[in-house]
Amino acid sequence: EIVLTQSPGTLSLSPGERATLSCRASQSVSSSYLAWYQQKPGQAPRLLIYGASSRATGIPDRFSGSGSGTDFTLTISRLEPEDFAVYYCQQYGSSKYTFGQGTKLEIK
Amino acid sequence: EVQLVESGGGLVKPGGSLRLSCAASGFTFSSYSMNWVRQAPGKGLEWVSSISSSSSYIYYADSVKGRFTISRDNAKNSLYLQMNSLRAEDTAVYYCARDGWGRKNDYWGQGTLVTVSS
Repeated sequence: EIVLTQSPGTLSLSPGERATLSCRASQSVSSSYLAWYQQKPGQAPRLLIYGASSRATGIPDRFSGSGSGTDFTLTISRLEPEDFAVYYCQQYGSSKYTFGQGTKLEIK
Repeated sequence: EVQLVESGGGLVKPGGSLRLSCAASGFTFSSYSMNWVRQAPGKGLEWVSSISSSSSYIYYADSVKGRFTISRDNAKNSLYLQMNSLRAEDTAVYYCARDGWGRKNDYWGQGTLVTVSS
């Protein structure tokens, strides 16, 4: 089973700053099947990025995804107040989905 | 507008059973695979089960295999999760999610809470 490890666990930044979130896989992952989600307290997750680098419908262009193989990155170019949330990466392979443990992005 | 609405959660004793439902609208339900994903209180996301559009392919996480059964009724635009032999560690919010081709969960319901406790 592929394990996804996200880092850091918590990221403390200020609005306007750049956020870089990492997702590392225990073995190579198909870029086509790597996604990122945002979750705010009391809400369902929201799809941000799919196929490692494609933005989902309605997602602002300050969100971008990159990477391949075992290393993937979610970048938020300039943080807005509404971006502070928990972020999860997810992969699909061998008929199973796995999620990373999440990165909490908090206001500094 | 795509909508997914879960129901059926509640409090159940260990060893008990519960059936979750997910009512879909705003898209051609019969064309999409669907997933159940859960989240234990204060924890991360865990995939539970998947079902293909015609129910031909069904998969489960090891943690629920043999205890949970996913199914769907395309005529009723509904997804189900039958949960048997429930354990305390099954306590979670259960979300249904649409697999929007490319193995991405592009729409999620609001979730239904299942609590397993004596």
